[in-house]
Amino acid sequence: SQQGEEDPQALSIQEGENATMNCSYKTSINNLQWYRQNSGRGLVHLILIRSNEREKHSGRLRVTLDTSKKSSSLLITASRAADTASYFCATVRYSNNDMRFGAGTRLTVKP
Amino acid sequence: GAGVSQSPRYKVAKRGQDVALRCDPISGHVSLFWYQQALGQGPEFLTYFQNEAQLDKSGLPSDRFFAERPEGSVSTLKIQRTQQEDSAVYLCASSLGRTGKDQPQHFGDGTRLSIL
Repeated sequence: SQQGEEDPQALSIQEGENATMNCSYKTSINNLQWYRQNSGRGLVHLILIRSNEREKHSGRLRVTLDTSKKSSSLLITASRAADTASYFCATVRYSNNDMRFGAGTRLTVKP
Repeated sequence: GAGVSQSPRYKVAKRGQDVALRCDPISGHVSLFWYQQALGQGPEFLTYFQNEAQLDKSGLPSDRFFAERPEGSVSTLKIQRTQQEDSAVYLCASSLGRTGKDQPQHFGDGTRLSIL
């Protein structure tokens, strides 16, 4: 069963705008990771945030984590057409090794 | 190449046939994972190896699914007596450390399995 739920399911924006995707999860976690998947390809790791961290940046990406609300957000600033992809959050629990993914947000950035 | 390699990229089989999917992880990566991804969904965990040891197979949907990694590098996912509901993309991922907990996973492009 999937652990996280992304919101929205689909997002369409113009190039240059910011894109925000949200993720909610159910159990206590060790860390939360965001991945990107282009159509027909495997997932690419974007950023990992640990349960004791609140915010993390990487280039145009900003991730926040609120463990009290069991939620995370991914912000992509100044989006580009090449950012068009599906974005997944994945949670890793303390008790085992498997990652649980949500159903993803499908982002379309129009040039 | 330096990435995770999966073969074949596409596999079509008739219901009831056995299939074998191969994964070549990044050299030196200790941990290896298999996932199943249905259309429009996120990947679902199937099984996890640390070197040659299969430490977690809780996600395998039935006893028709079997995975091995005999020498701690290449892994094979075998599905016996395939059913239509087995149609999906099967993703393999590897990570450097002993567990998948604190490290990113590196994914292959997957094998798209279609059962007719």
